[in-house]
Parts: sequence; structure tokens; C-alpha cells
Amino acid sequence: DIQMTQSPSSLSATVGDRVTITCRASQNINTYLNWYQQKPGKAPKLLIYVTSNLQSGVPSRFSGSGSGTDFSLTINSLQPEDFATYYCQQSYSTPPTFGQGTKVEVK
Amino acid sequence: EVQLVESGGGLVQPGGSLRLSCAASGFTFSSDSMNWVRQAPGKGLEWVSYISGSSSIKLYADSVKGRFAISRDNAKNSLFLQMNSLRAEDTATYYCAKDVCSSTTCYGTHWGQGTLVTVSS
Repeated sequence: DIQMTQSPSSLSATVGDRVTITCRASQNINTYLNWYQQKPGKAPKLLIYVTSNLQSGVPSRFSGSGSGTDFSLTINSLQPEDFATYYCQQSYSTPPTFGQGTKVEVK
Repeated sequence: EVQLVESGGGLVQPGGSLRLSCAASGFTFSSDSMNWVRQAPGKGLEWVSYISGSSSIKLYADSVKGRFAISRDNAKNSLFLQMNSLRAEDTATYYCAKDVCSSTTCYGTHWGQGTLVTVSS
């Protein structure tokens, strides 16, 4: 199975900050990397698919980049509704695997 | 609007069985592959199972292979997960998720609200 490792596991930020979360795959996954946002008690929500494609309805302050084994999710100008946990997921091979999550908390 | 509504969760003893359902609406259910993904309390996401639109392909995580069975009824827009020989480590919220697939990859675009399964004596 492909292991996905996110860093950091948590971070503290302020509204307006630029936040970057990284995700590393244990092997080359091309660009088959997706990002999800999850708020407490809610289902995950797809933000970005195939590294850099913004899901419909997702604000443009979210962006993704990378290829191969190293990927990142950037939130420009963090908004109050962005405090949540973010997960990367590889869809290169079965089983699809998730990172352990990055919790973005209020500083 | 795509809607996925899970049901069937609850408290079950170790070794017991449970059948989860996911009612789908707002899209052509038979055209899309579906997944079950679970999340243990306070933990991350774990993919459980996949089924293609025609049910011709079914895939399982090693942790549930031989114990869980995924199925669907396209006439009733419903997805199921039959869970047998349940263990304490199967305790989790179970989500159904709708895939969008290109020629090379699939990803979950819509998720239900989840149903909690608790395995305990």
C-alpha cells in the first residue's frame, strides 16, 4: 500500500494567514492526489482533485501543487470557515490511502 | 443536488453482523462507482470498499476482506455494506461516497453524513 504522510499534523494560524500543508507519498503517484476538508461532526468535502483542480464551489483561495511524491495544499488568506482538518488522498492505486490529517486551529 | 443518506448503524456485539445502506439521489446512480470509507472515533479516514456502477468490480481493504460485502441495487438507487464477524476495531463512522472517474483515476466528490457503528459487548 502507498503511505501518505502529511505535515504538520497540526498548525495554529490567524485569519488572513497564508497556510501551506504538505503531503508526501511513499512512491510515485504521478498527479493522482486529492485534498479533502473535514469539520467536526461532518463528512469530508472534496476541495482539490488530481493535484491542482478546484472542485466546483470551492473558493479560489485554495490551491494545490506537486507531482511524483511531494504535494502541497495552500490556503491564501485563511478565513474563519477554513479552520478544519485537511486530508490528502492518493488515487493512483488500490487501496486509495489517506494522510493522517492536518488540523488547522485558531492561534 | 446529489444526496447520499446512510442508515443501518448501531451497537452490535463482537462477532455480530450489520447491514449498512446508502440511499442516493440527484444523479444517475447506475453510472457512478461508489465507495465506503470509515473513520474511527478521533482518527483519520480509511477506505473500506469500492463497487463499480455495474457491480462487475468489487474491491476491499485487507482489513475487511472476507468479512464485509459491498453491493448495490441500481433500480432502487441504493448502496449496501454487509458487515459480518464484526470486531471492536470496526467501530467507526461509515461514509458512503460517490466517485467521479476519468480514464485514469477516481475520486470521491460527494459524501453522505455517515452512520456510526459501535462494536462492543
